[in-house]
Amino acid sequence: GAVVSQHPSRVICKSGTSVKIECRSLDFQATTMFWYRQFPKQSLMLMATSNEGSKATYEQGVEKDKFLINHASLTLSTLTVTSAHPEDSSFYICSARGNREREQFFGPGTRLTVL
Amino acid sequence: KNQVEQSPQSLIILEGKNCTLQCNYTVSPFSNLRWYKQDTGRGPVSLTIMTFSENTKSNGRYTATLDADTKQSSLHITASQLSDSASYICVVSRDNYGQNFVFGPGTRLSVLP
Repeated sequence: GAVVSQHPSRVICKSGTSVKIECRSLDFQATTMFWYRQFPKQSLMLMATSNEGSKATYEQGVEKDKFLINHASLTLSTLTVTSAHPEDSSFYICSARGNREREQFFGPGTRLTVL
Repeated sequence: KNQVEQSPQSLIILEGKNCTLQCNYTVSPFSNLRWYKQDTGRGPVSLTIMTFSENTKSNGRYTATLDADTKQSSLHITASQLSDSASYICVVSRDNYGQNFVFGPGTRLSVLP
């Protein structure tokens, strides 16, 4: 089956710094990638959808200047949390979908803790 | 408003017992309904996917049912194991391309020895 990886799995940073999270599709070409955020005991909330080579589409209420998404290749998307604050601490999950797959394959998630 | 509700919010059962999780949805348009298992600190893993015309689908000890008329689905777990402890998320897809998902809040299952 399709495999999606994320790196890092955990990151702790100081308030005000920027953090980059990578999402890779390992065995298929991901024309679309999705970024979700999940707070404790809550379900996934879609942050943005990105198509390879074009700008990401952000959900209402998600600051595009704070959460920078780059989907420069068919196997890699990155989420950069700029000037992170403690309230950005969360579990960030990406998923990927290829042209042939009518399915989103989820990554294992990245736990971000901002001190 | 497109919405997926799940019950119970949490459930504790003893190893070896069966359990059933519920999902109600008001989502339009409807393409398919999925159940995912999410272990703590991990991403969701697909268990079943059912389209409008499918009433039941099994994946090992997991059996999902779908009643498209009442807009209800259930996930039945048979002979539970400790490894079944996880959150189970009901997701309704609004398109046939895996692009537009509506997530339920999940049911947190704990299986005790």
